[in-house]
Amino acid sequence: NAGVTQTPKFRVLKTGQSMTLLCAQDMNHEYMYWYRQDPGMGLRLIHYSVGEGTTAKGEVPDGYNVSRLKKQNFLLGLESAAPSQTSVYFCASSTQGTQFFGPGTRLTVL
Amino acid sequence: ILNVEQSPQSLHVQEGDSTNFTCSFPSSNFYALHWYRWETAKSPEALFVMTLNGDEKKKGRISATLNTKEGYSYLYIKGSQPEDSATYLCAFPLTGTASKLTFGTGTRLQVTL
Repeated sequence: NAGVTQTPKFRVLKTGQSMTLLCAQDMNHEYMYWYRQDPGMGLRLIHYSVGEGTTAKGEVPDGYNVSRLKKQNFLLGLESAAPSQTSVYFCASSTQGTQFFGPGTRLTVL
Repeated sequence: ILNVEQSPQSLHVQEGDSTNFTCSFPSSNFYALHWYRWETAKSPEALFVMTLNGDEKKKGRISATLNTKEGYSYLYIKGSQPEDSATYLCAFPLTGTASKLTFGTGTRLQVTL
């Protein structure tokens, strides 16, 4: 089992560009999450999903959109990237308890 | 306490020292308290899930205790080794939804020879 995987691992964007981060899990978990990690801030929840076809806002949702068309995939979109979105993004999945994390995507917005 | 707070922010110990750090959380509507270990350049990995007041969990040299009435959990590392160097996070479902965790900012532990 691969667990939780994230694509891409690194990305550099210019301000105003768009991109989609892909998270995939093969553990049949209902719940999936997107976090961002910034120095001194810890992990902050962007959006999450409690099942296929459902999404909900987390603590810092502005500037991001998500979709959960398939149970195993959770996509995070940036429509118009801003330098404030430079961060490390982690995806996680769970069955309503312990969360399992992906390896992270390091995004830089110039 | 209205948030998840961890102390100290960072800790530097010598190999062989024992150490402990604290996670504080709201004591009302307790559901579960999670501990994660996060090594540099890796992703967080679950250590313990604690659900009962007075719970004590152990994994090798690492153990954790829980006091839900006063809203704190301690993580102990006995005889620290360099491989214990990591950030230790605790997480708590602040909104009352078990699946939605709020993470503390972590305690960064560095163990030197």
